Amino acid sequence: EAQVTQNPRYLITVTGKKLTVTCSQNMNHEYMSWYRQDPGLGLRQIYYSMNVEVTDKGDVPEGYKVSRKEKRNFPLILESPSPNQTSLYFCASSARPNYEQYFGPGTRLTVT
Amino acid sequence: TQLLEQSPQFLSIQEGENLTVYCNSSSVFSSLQWYRQEPGEGPVLLVTVVTGGEVKKLKRLTFQFGDARKDSSLHITAAQPGDTGLYLCAAPSGGYNKLIFGAGTRLAVHP
Repeated sequence: EAQVTQNPRYLITVTGKKLTVTCSQNMNHEYMSWYRQDPGLGLRQIYYSMNVEVTDKGDVPEGYKVSRKEKRNFPLILESPSPNQTSLYFCASSARPNYEQYFGPGTRLTVT
Repeated sequence: TQLLEQSPQFLSIQEGENLTVYCNSSSVFSSLQWYRQEPGEGPVLLVTVVTGGEVKKLKRLTFQFGDARKDSSLHITAAQPGDTGLYLCAAPSGGYNKLIFGAGTRLAVHP
């Protein structure tokens, strides 16, 4: 089954404790993205990538890092999480640029 | 800064009613996508419109892209409880995979 998986689905952590949210896709897509979703603000793109070792900042990259060492994986790293990073995070992949996005199930992160 | 504004924010209707939701911008886009998101899940693509004035139908859903490619609408005929969800529009915003999303219209259809 073609899918994007994210782990963990739920995470509660404390300010300053480094964390990584994993994302993996099995569709051999070159393009991957991370979004955060907040009430009233919709989905905002954090980072995106067109292939291994090629990543670019989206609209809200501050406080986040990504890496793309393998085509299928695109982890999101929060080195020093803060409460304003409490949000619902989605990973997505697509076969072509600006084309249909296949989204993962989301990771709900709470930073206290 | 390019923005996509969706209206209304919330819509609560009875089964069988018709409705239209809107996605507007002051910018011109090469294409526009509509997604539906159900609770606890990621958004799922419904349709992509590309040509100004284009109309696409998906069963009871009709999507239209404005002639100037700045706006779009989604019309649902005879809404059903299964149509309940968050409807999002999205468009390319420069960069090779940079998309912007509207804040969405949350639709509730009551039996």
